Amino acid sequence: GQQLNQSPQSMFIQEGEDVSMNCTSSSIFNTWLWYKQDPGEGPVLLIALYKAGELTSNGRLTAQFGITRKDSFLNISASIPSDVGIYFCAGYTYSGGGADGLTFGKGTHLIIQP
Amino acid sequence: NAGVTQTPKFRILKIGQSMTLQCTQDMNHNYMYWYRQDPGMGLKLIYYSVGAGITDKGEVPNGYNVSRSTTEDFPLRLELAAPSQTSVYFCASSHDIYEQYFGPGTRLTVT
Repeated sequence: GQQLNQSPQSMFIQEGEDVSMNCTSSSIFNTWLWYKQDPGEGPVLLIALYKAGELTSNGRLTAQFGITRKDSFLNISASIPSDVGIYFCAGYTYSGGGADGLTFGKGTHLIIQP
Repeated sequence: NAGVTQTPKFRILKIGQSMTLQCTQDMNHNYMYWYRQDPGMGLKLIYYSVGAGITDKGEVPNGYNVSRSTTEDFPLRLELAAPSQTSVYFCASSHDIYEQYFGPGTRLTVT
């Protein structure tokens, strides 16, 4: 099946710093989604991307759909303590065209030191 | 809207026992999903449904069963619990096949 590689696996940053993480694959995806999961909670959808090259913002978060369709990037500006959590990328491919086409990465753990 | 709700929040089962994980959504979404999340791993799709009366297997369906008699409810059944089914289970729903909304999860331990 499809595989998504998220990096870094974990990040230790200072409050106020900017954060960058990415998701790559050897396969082409038609849609990219970014989720955040707080401890003990379900993932929450942050940003959805539908077109190659698309750049979309949600507050301090900005995500981009890579031109090659094989990657996506998430940036967080001026990090704050509540940004702590696990960030998952998910990609959808039309092969098969079914509702089972969403693949999740293993997540990037973001830890913020005050 | 409550969104996607799941019960119970926690459960401990003995090997061989059965249980049903409940999932309800109030967003009138046609698509519903069950995932499991193991430590350090992403989400693996167990079963999904594209509408009432229609279900299909995902990536890891063995040991589980589902039904979808209404748009709102999508219960997941474990018939003979095994230690390998210790995991966190998430239910999700979506209007289309892309933007899925997740419930808070059920933490299941099989001993």
